[in-house]
Parts: sequence; structure tokens; C-alpha cells
Amino acid sequence: GAGVSQSPRYKVAKRGQDVALRCDPISGHVSLFWYQQALGQGPEFLTYFQNEAQLDKSGLPSDRFFAERPEGSVSTLKIQRTQQEDSAVYLCASSLTGNEQYFGPGTRLTVT
Amino acid sequence: DQQVKQNSPSLSVQEGRISILNCDYTNSMFDYFLWYKKYPAEGPTFLISISSIKDKNEDGRFTVFLNKSAKHLSLHIVPSQPGDSAVYFCAASASGNTPLVFGKGTRLSVIA
Repeated sequence: GAGVSQSPRYKVAKRGQDVALRCDPISGHVSLFWYQQALGQGPEFLTYFQNEAQLDKSGLPSDRFFAERPEGSVSTLKIQRTQQEDSAVYLCASSLTGNEQYFGPGTRLTVT
Repeated sequence: DQQVKQNSPSLSVQEGRISILNCDYTNSMFDYFLWYKKYPAEGPTFLISISSIKDKNEDGRFTVFLNKSAKHLSLHIVPSQPGDSAVYFCAASASGNTPLVFGKGTRLSVIA
């Protein structure tokens, strides 16, 4: 069956540009999570949706980061005015039960 | 301060022998623990999990042990195979539908 997909897989942005990262969760999974993974670190939580409701955004590092899931399926993570410290892999995960989370391949963002 | 710690950045094991990966946690609210395996340029793949009501969970070559009093868990892989070479992440959560907190990972190399 289809897993979690993310696009683009790689994104290079000039400092100050806006970017949008897309996540397609596993069909039927109501929970969706975004994580940020820096080099040599484990993934770190950014934000969480249950259906279309954003229940937790405590991990978003600044107000330049914004996420949405308007129809309770596809989600978009938007980063405005990108900075070099935003360079990381952005991972999306979905879950049916709320326990096991299934991850997509990630989007590697490089800000130059 | 890290709530989930994997103190060994790397581990090298001969093919056919047992691999033991360790993980410690500090937050007593964690009650669900997971292990993920990650290959380069891919997202983390769910391997095995354990609830705090159990002390052992087994799935094929993979067994996870949980010692709640010591706040310690371990993943045993036996027998180890070259295809097991990857980075292994320990993760924890406090009940369902909450963000996962990850360790920094342990790179396992299985030598033929």
C-alpha cells in the first residue's frame, strides 16, 4: 500500500525566500505530525494535526513557520523568509492509532 | 536537556552475532516506546514498539526490553545481518497521539 509521501524531496532556497513543503499521509490516518531533523540529530517535533485541527504547534521555532491541513488529508508546512538555520530535513509522519507513527522520506531543505 | 538518550553513537557487530542498542529516558510520563531504523536519504522506518505495561516485546529477530525502574530500554537484534546496518533511533511518547521524543541515534554496522 502507499506510504507517506513528501514533495519536493530536495529544495534549495535563497535566504529570504518562502518555501512550501507538502505531505500526503497514509489514507485514513487522522493524525499527522511534522518534525525537523538537523544533521546528526534525531527528529524534533514541530506541529501536530488531528484531522484538520492543529492541536499542538509548540515546536514551531518561530512565527515564520506555518502549517495547515485544511481538508484533514494533505498538509503543507510553509516557511517564510528562510534563514540558513532553517536548513534541515523536514519529516512528516501519519498515524492511525496515535501510537506508531509512519514517516515519509523527508524534504531536505538547503538555504543558501 | 535530552529526555531520551542514546549514549553510543556507533556500534560494530559481526554478522550472525547479537546487536544490543541501548536507550535511557528521564521523563516518567513516557509510557510508549518505539524503535525506528533509518537508511541514508530515507525517512525513519518503524521497527518495534513496547507499552509501559510490558517488559518485553518480540518480533522475529527483534526484541525490545523495557526496565521501567531504571528508565532504560534496549533493542536486541539476533542474528545480525549486513542489511541491518543503519542508524537506529529510540523514541518515546506520553500516551497516544502525542509527539515522539527521539534520541540522537546509534549507527549500527554489521560486518560480514
